[in-house]
Amino acid sequence: NAGVTQTPKFQVLKTGQSMTLQCAQDMNHEYMSWYRQDPGMGLRLIHYSVGAGITDQGEVPNGYNVSRSTTEDFPLRLLSAAPSQTSVYFCASSYSRVSDTQYFGPGTRLTVL
Amino acid sequence: EDKVVQSPLSLVVHEGDTVTLNCSYEVTNFRSLLWYKQEKKAPTFLFMLTSSGIEKKSGRLSSILDKKELSSILNITATQTGDSAIYLCAVARRGTGNQFYFGTGTSLTVIP
Repeated sequence: NAGVTQTPKFQVLKTGQSMTLQCAQDMNHEYMSWYRQDPGMGLRLIHYSVGAGITDQGEVPNGYNVSRSTTEDFPLRLLSAAPSQTSVYFCASSYSRVSDTQYFGPGTRLTVL
Repeated sequence: EDKVVQSPLSLVVHEGDTVTLNCSYEVTNFRSLLWYKQEKKAPTFLFMLTSSGIEKKSGRLSSILDKKELSSILNITATQTGDSAIYLCAVARRGTGNQFYFGTGTSLTVIP
């Protein structure tokens, strides 16, 4: 099993550009989520999904969209990048909505100029 | 407002020392508390605690939850340089989906 994979590892965008961060897991996990990690702020939940076709907002959803068309994939879309979105983004998954043990991907370091 | 607070923010110790990391929380509908270790990459899972007073152990690491005091401690005995990392505490909340609240972490540096 590859576990949770994320692409790209690094990305530089200009303000106003859009892009999609990819996340995939091969563990047949029901629950997937996106976090951003900023210095001094810890990990903050952006969006999460409890199964294919079901998504919901987390703590800091503004400026981001998600979709979950398959169990395996959970892409995060930045609609119009802003410097405030400069961060490290982690995707995570867990077996089910009642399983609290999350497995994290390697992260994407995004810089918005 | 739900929050998780960790202390200290950073810690520098010598190899062989014992350290205690603290996590306190104010989260409605508490379900569980989790500890993660992060070494310049993705967090890796250490422990999950759901019941008060029960100690979870793995080698030199142990953790205990105090639901009355809304807190948890993570102990590391006989520290090694490989223990240098950021230790994250997270609290899971009951609800329609999995809501996790993370603390800002404790940065531990172990000097040889």
